Amino acid sequence: NAGVTQTPKFRVLKTGQSMTLLCAQDMNHEYMYWYRQDPGMGLRLIHYSVGEGTTAKGEVPDGYNVSRLKKQNFLLGLESAAPSQTSVYFCATRGLAGALNTGELFFGEGSRLTVL
Amino acid sequence: RKEVEQDPGPFNVPEGATVAFNCTYSNSASQSFFWYRQDCRKEPKLLMSVYSSGNEDGRFTAQLNRASQYISLLIRDSKLSDSATYLCVVNNWDTGNQFYFGTGTSLTVIP
Repeated sequence: NAGVTQTPKFRVLKTGQSMTLLCAQDMNHEYMYWYRQDPGMGLRLIHYSVGEGTTAKGEVPDGYNVSRLKKQNFLLGLESAAPSQTSVYFCATRGLAGALNTGELFFGEGSRLTVL
Repeated sequence: RKEVEQDPGPFNVPEGATVAFNCTYSNSASQSFFWYRQDCRKEPKLLMSVYSSGNEDGRFTAQLNRASQYISLLIRDSKLSDSATYLCVVNNWDTGNQFYFGTGTSLTVIP
C-alpha cells in the first residue's frame, strides 16, 4: 500500500520552462490538496479538489494549474516557471468525514523544485 | 491576520524536560484541530487530533480552548527523538474543507 506518491521528487527548471507534478493515491480519498512550503511561511494551499472532476483555488494559486481527471490522481502544472516558484511541494489527501475518520491529512514525501 | 499563529521558537530543551507549545487561530467557526510533526526534509505526519475535552497520548497532551481560540501541546519527559518541528493545524469546513497551518515550532532536545 503506497499511500500518497509524488513524482518527481526533485527537479531543476529554467525560468520559463513548464512541468507537471503528479500526485497519486491508493487510499480512495475524496479530497486532494497541493501545498507549497517555504522557510518561515508554513504550508500554503495552492489548489485543492473535493472530488473527481472538481478543482478550486487555495491561498496562492497564481502561476499554477491543476486537474483531477481521475479520482486517484491530482496534477499540478507550472506553465512558465519563475524563480519565486522554487519551493517544496506537498500533496495531501483526506477521506470523507465520518465516525471512523479523524480528518487526518496524509502527505506525500514532497517534491523539491528549483527554478533558475 | 494569519489564520493560525504559533510560538516562533526555537525551543532547545534538555532530555527529560517538559515543554509546551501554544497556537491561536482566528476563525471562531473552525471545527477540527490537529498537531502535526515534521522531521527535517520530510513530510508532515499527524501527531494527534485535539478534542474539546482535551486528550492525552502517552507523553503528549493536547488542549483546546474554544473561547480563547487557543490550542496547546505539552510534551513531558522529552526524548531526543522528539526533536522536530511541530505544526498547529486548523480545519474549516465552511471554507471548502481547507486546512490552515501554523509556521511551526522547532524543538531540539539536547542530551
